[in-house]
Amino acid sequence: AQSVTQLDSQVPVFEEAPVELRCNYSSSVSVYLFWYVQYPNQGLQLLLKYLSGSTLVKGINGFEAEFNKSQTSFHLRKPSVHISDTAEYFCAVSVADSWGKLQFGAGTQVVVTP
Amino acid sequence: DSGVTQTPKHLITATGQRVTLRCSPRSGDLSVYWYQQSLDQGLQFLIQYYNGEERAKGNILERFSAQQFPDLHSELNLSSLELGDSALYFCASSVGGQGGEAFFGQGTRLTVV
Repeated sequence: AQSVTQLDSQVPVFEEAPVELRCNYSSSVSVYLFWYVQYPNQGLQLLLKYLSGSTLVKGINGFEAEFNKSQTSFHLRKPSVHISDTAEYFCAVSVADSWGKLQFGAGTQVVVTP
Repeated sequence: DSGVTQTPKHLITATGQRVTLRCSPRSGDLSVYWYQQSLDQGLQFLIQYYNGEERAKGNILERFSAQQFPDLHSELNLSSLELGDSALYFCASSVGGQGGEAFFGQGTRLTVV
């Protein structure tokens, strides 16, 4: 069975500062990796995904993530955040033969202040 | 707008009752997934259908059931409701089952009183 650990439950950050959200996973088989964002009272929106190939993945809204197989990590970064980035961020994994079902981490609440 | 439509947006019902949540996937998507989001359990996968057939099952209670109809919309039926069933229920859809992007609806917030 696979699992996903998001190491920080809440990350406060000042506007225009960089942010990194940490995600570690465990799985005995190949996985696909995803980051989703949930704004208040909204559904989940895909930020980016890693399926294969380049380990540095660029997503929407200036986010990027790096897949590190040896450390089983998929950390999300943004060099300069905006107030509008205040939201909850979820890391998720999908096992290659699992028909696309997602296993989510507990989420990281990002609070951006001026 | 993800293209996935869930109704109703909010539902308040009493313990012991039965409710039906509805999901219309994006046009062309064959897979539908149901997830439950609660404060204590986080986001949990419930069940997946692909082109009308059940493909994967997660932590879905026996009191819950789902189906996908020929027009590909899906319904999640929750019965003998308990206070602990109060949660946000999401539907997601994707073209196929393997590694593709899943698009999420806005969710149905169920409150059991």
